[in-house]
Amino acid sequence: AQSVTQLDSQVPVFEEAPVELRCNYSSSVSVYLFWYVQYPNQGLQLLLKYLSGSTLVESINGFEAEFNKSQTSFHLRKPSVHISDTAEYFCAVSDYLECDNAGNNRKLIWGLGTSLAVNP
Amino acid sequence: DTAVSQTPKYLVTQMGNDKSIKCEQNLGHDTMYWYKQDSKKFLKIMFSYNNKELIINETVPNRFSPKSPDKAHLNLHINSLELGDSAVYFCASSHPGSYNEQFFGPGTRLTVL
Repeated sequence: AQSVTQLDSQVPVFEEAPVELRCNYSSSVSVYLFWYVQYPNQGLQLLLKYLSGSTLVESINGFEAEFNKSQTSFHLRKPSVHISDTAEYFCAVSDYLECDNAGNNRKLIWGLGTSLAVNP
Repeated sequence: DTAVSQTPKYLVTQMGNDKSIKCEQNLGHDTMYWYKQDSKKFLKIMFSYNNKELIINETVPNRFSPKSPDKAHLNLHINSLELGDSAVYFCASSHPGSYNEQFFGPGTRLTVL
C-alpha cells in the first residue's frame, strides 16, 4: 500500500532564508502528487500539484516542487520565505490504484505534516 | 461564494450528547469527504461519498454516521460523544477526473467536555 513520509515534523527558519520541506512516497507506480498548506486556524488549501508533464511545478506564491521518480520524492522548496509562510504543510499522494481509468477519486494518502515556522 | 462550507465552526458539548456537523459544496463536485484532524495535526480520512453513495468507510466507531441527502451535502452525525472525539473535522470535495485534488472547508472544532 502507498505511504507518504514527511521527514521533518518541524522546520524553523529565519525570514528570507531558503527552505526545503521533504516528502517521499513508497510506491513507484504512476502517482499524482500534491502539496497542501494549512494556515493557523484555517482549512487546507492546495499549494501545487504534479499530475503529468514537467517534473517541476510552481505555485503562485513562490513555492516549487520537483517530482523525482527515481528517488520517489516530491520535495517542496522556496528560495526566500516570509513570515506569512508560517503554516502546516502536507504532502499527499494519489496513485492509479486509488483512481479509476477516468481519474475519478478514491482517496489521498497523506503525510503527517511539516510545521514551518518563519522567524524574524 | 464559499466553495465548501461547514457549520458550525465551533461546537462545545458534553460527553454523551449527540451532535451533527453540516457540509455543503457549491462546486458541482461528485465526491465528498470527512476528515478528522487531531491535536498533532494528523489528518485521517473517515468517510467518502460519491454521488450520495458511500465509497470509503475507514475504521471509525459506528457512533459516527454520515448522511448525504444529495451530492452537494454531506453531514456527519455523532452519537454518544466521547472525550476522544475532540478534534477539528474537515469536509472536502473533489471532481471527477481530478486525480483526487480536494477542496477543503474551513473546519469544525469540536470540544467534548
